[in-house]
Amino acid sequence: KAGVTQTPRYLIKTRGQQVTLSCSPISGHRSVSWYQQTPGQGLQFLFEYFSETQRNKGNFPGRFSGRQFSNSRSEMNVSTLELGDSALYLCASSLIGGGGAEAFFGQGTRLTVV
Amino acid sequence: DQQVKQNSPSLSVQEGRISILNCDYTNSMFDYFLWYKKYPAEGPTFLISISSIKDKNEDGRFTVFLNKSAKHLSLHIVPSQPGDSAVYFCAASGNSGAGSYQLTFGKGTKLSVIP
Repeated sequence: KAGVTQTPRYLIKTRGQQVTLSCSPISGHRSVSWYQQTPGQGLQFLFEYFSETQRNKGNFPGRFSGRQFSNSRSEMNVSTLELGDSALYLCASSLIGGGGAEAFFGQGTRLTVV
Repeated sequence: DQQVKQNSPSLSVQEGRISILNCDYTNSMFDYFLWYKKYPAEGPTFLISISSIKDKNEDGRFTVFLNKSAKHLSLHIVPSQPGDSAVYFCAASGNSGAGSYQLTFGKGTKLSVIP
């Protein structure tokens, strides 16, 4: 069974640009969540999508957005990039996204903003 | 305000001995607690979880204990093996509405198991 696939693995962008990251969940999983990992803040929740609808959103500015397609694949977009957006972006998928449900993480996309 | 805290950034343990990783939380609305393990350049891997209505859950060498009155949980690994060397994240989840359960993570504890 294929795991969660995130593309690209590494990305370098310039301040002010925008970026789109992609996540393909495990087949059959309908919930996709995104997290940002930085050395100072640890893993922080960005948002969760379920059946193409954003169900929950963390405390991030509106520059961070996402969407989910009918095949459950998800993209997140960051506009007007800032140096502080440099981080590892992780996507997690689960069957329905409930409580103690095991979330499977991808390997992440390492974004560097210069 | 950090709702999930792992106060020990690192821990070294001899192979074969017990590893105890600790986690404290502040939000009494959390109803599930999970432990994830992370190797460099990989995403976190789920290890074990516990519902807030239980005080212990065991899976092979891994046992998680929950003390709700103290808002404290711990992960015990017995016996510890060199392959257990990784960063361990404690996470908590609660219903954020509309059936969504976001994970709130601690900052992790780096476990080193010495052969």
